[in-house]
Amino acid sequence: GAVVSQHPSWVICKSGTSVKIECRSLDFQATTMFWYRQFPKQSLMLMATSNEGSKATYEQGVEKDKFLINHASLTLSTLTVTSAHPEDSSFYICSARDLGEVIEQYFGPGTRLTVT
Amino acid sequence: GQQLNQSPQSMFIQEGEDVSMNCTSSSIFNTWLWYKQDPGEGPVLLIALYKAGELTSNGRLTAQFGITRKDSFLNISASIPSDVGIYFCAGAEGETSGSRLTFGEGTQLTVNP
Repeated sequence: GAVVSQHPSWVICKSGTSVKIECRSLDFQATTMFWYRQFPKQSLMLMATSNEGSKATYEQGVEKDKFLINHASLTLSTLTVTSAHPEDSSFYICSARDLGEVIEQYFGPGTRLTVT
Repeated sequence: GQQLNQSPQSMFIQEGEDVSMNCTSSSIFNTWLWYKQDPGEGPVLLIALYKAGELTSNGRLTAQFGITRKDSFLNISASIPSDVGIYFCAGAEGETSGSRLTFGEGTQLTVNP
């Protein structure tokens, strides 16, 4: 149980284009999903907290107009990187919290974004 | 914001050896979690600790929630090659469903056969 999927697993895009990453909870419902980014050999950095049916809460320093988050259902959240630049290249990981859980988060397999 | 200091940063051990890593914080956390991340994958939850002083095992893994609520350790006994990966501690400050996790810097474990 508690399986989270992400799509795509990797993507290469050109500077200036937009990329959408999907995060799905496959066998549970998640009112809260989280988006992280991770640079090589570094820890996970929380970007935003996504709540179903409401606006996402962004961490300090994360541009909400650049990283658009939509959490339209209890099993799906999307992150859109708009007008991507090479410095946006990173490993993006989502996590989801089961309705019945208070603290534990279950992570997706991550999406490797490369902007050329 | 909250910071977690995780040590050691990396470990190189022989198969069969025991391993210990820990996390400390200057602030109190109400929950400690330990995750393992394989290359190119997302973290996988290993152990969750909810009460100060709690000692929990999961197979060859044992973790403890420090009495002061400012630290936690993870032990791996009789290591095997598949234990290779990055281990992260994570702490949650609150006790509600909106509580975010703060992650340590990670411990890179290498196990030589």
